[in-house]
Amino acid sequence: NAGVTQTPKFRILKIGQSMTLQCAQDMNHNYMYWYRQDPGMGLKLIYYSVGAGITDKGEVPNGYNVSRSTTEDFPLRLELAAPSQTSVYFCATKPNSSPNQPQHFGDGTRLSIL
Amino acid sequence: DQQVKQNSPSLSVQEGRISILNCDYTNSMFDYFLWYKKYPAEGPTFLISISSIKDKNEDGRFTVFLNKSAKHLSLHIVPSQPGDSAVYFCAASETGTASKLTFGTGTRLQVTL
Repeated sequence: NAGVTQTPKFRILKIGQSMTLQCAQDMNHNYMYWYRQDPGMGLKLIYYSVGAGITDKGEVPNGYNVSRSTTEDFPLRLELAAPSQTSVYFCATKPNSSPNQPQHFGDGTRLSIL
Repeated sequence: DQQVKQNSPSLSVQEGRISILNCDYTNSMFDYFLWYKKYPAEGPTFLISISSIKDKNEDGRFTVFLNKSAKHLSLHIVPSQPGDSAVYFCAASETGTASKLTFGTGTRLQVTL
């Protein structure tokens, strides 16, 4: 049981390049989230999904896109990488809307854009 | 607009003593609060939570207190152990918002021998 798996763990991009951060879960959780954490800051929500085919914007969605074609996967797409997107990205999952079920986080993808 | 604030970036406590981490919030619609612990190069892990209908929740060495009128919560760790050294994040959510979390900026706890 792997839980929440994020790939890659590290990546360096050049300005203007694109890439997809992968998030996969094997817990059959309906809810999935993408956060970013900048140095010395808390996590900020980028996008979230409450089930396959349903996605919505979080607090900081600009420059990102997501899709949720399956329950298991929730990829995050950067189309035109900018230095401001240098950050650590965390994916999280949750079974349902019950507040008693906390979000489970992956170990993150550290992304540098130069 | 920082809706969840952790005003102490760091805290150092001796092993065996009590660690008290504080968190303030401004959004009165928040009704569920969580504490996460984070080690370097790992994702946050859930520690303890509390609903706004309670004022205290305890789990082993960890207790969270909620003061709704002051919009303040605190995490108590007793006794503190070296393995507790990590960054602690306070987070809050509002019912009906898909459990989206708003995080504080974290407090780095160092437990010394």
